[in-house]
Amino acid sequence: GAVVSQHPSWVICKSGTSVKIECRSLDFQATTMFWYRQFPKQSLMLMATSNEGSKATYEQGVEKDKFLINHASLTLSTLTVTSAHPEDSSFYICSARRDRGLREQYFGPGTRLTVT
Amino acid sequence: AQSVSQHNHHVILSEAASLELGCNYSYGGTVNLFWYVQYPGQHLQLLLKYFSGDPLVKGIKGFEAEFIKSKFSFNLRKPSVQWSDTAEYFCAVTFMNRDDKIIFGKGTRLHILP
Repeated sequence: GAVVSQHPSWVICKSGTSVKIECRSLDFQATTMFWYRQFPKQSLMLMATSNEGSKATYEQGVEKDKFLINHASLTLSTLTVTSAHPEDSSFYICSARRDRGLREQYFGPGTRLTVT
Repeated sequence: AQSVSQHNHHVILSEAASLELGCNYSYGGTVNLFWYVQYPGQHLQLLLKYFSGDPLVKGIKGFEAEFIKSKFSFNLRKPSVQWSDTAEYFCAVTFMNRDDKIIFGKGTRLHILP
């Protein structure tokens, strides 16, 4: 159990377009999910906390209008990169926190975004 | 502010050598502690975790870590490394007053020589 999926796993888009990335908890409910960004050979940087039924909480320095987060259900959060630019190219990883028990977080496999 | 420090950015060892990767955090309250591994081209995998209880935690693939509260440390160890252990290792901490956010250290790149 405790599987988190992301879709797509890899996406290439043109500069100026928007890209939506999905994060799903497949076998548990997750009121809270987290979005991270990882640049090549660097660590994961927390971007925002996604809360079901309410607005996301963004970390300092993360543009809210650039990275739109929607947590529409207890098993799905989406991250939309709007008006993408080449500098947005990165590896985006989500995690979902189990609502019950130890409230442990489980990570998705990540989505590699390349903006040309 | 709470932070996580990994002191070794790049470690090179020969096979069968012993490994210890350092991890320290700055926070006096309750924490949950993790070590993750990321093999080349692959996604993050959990090696081991500490929530409470025995401070010596055993994980997968022969790894273990010891939580020393007085030193704010959670060092990762393996008595005998293998070439397949070549990967990036991340220490991560959940500070329990920060809404369970996981903060990652900068990572340690481990390279095992065959």
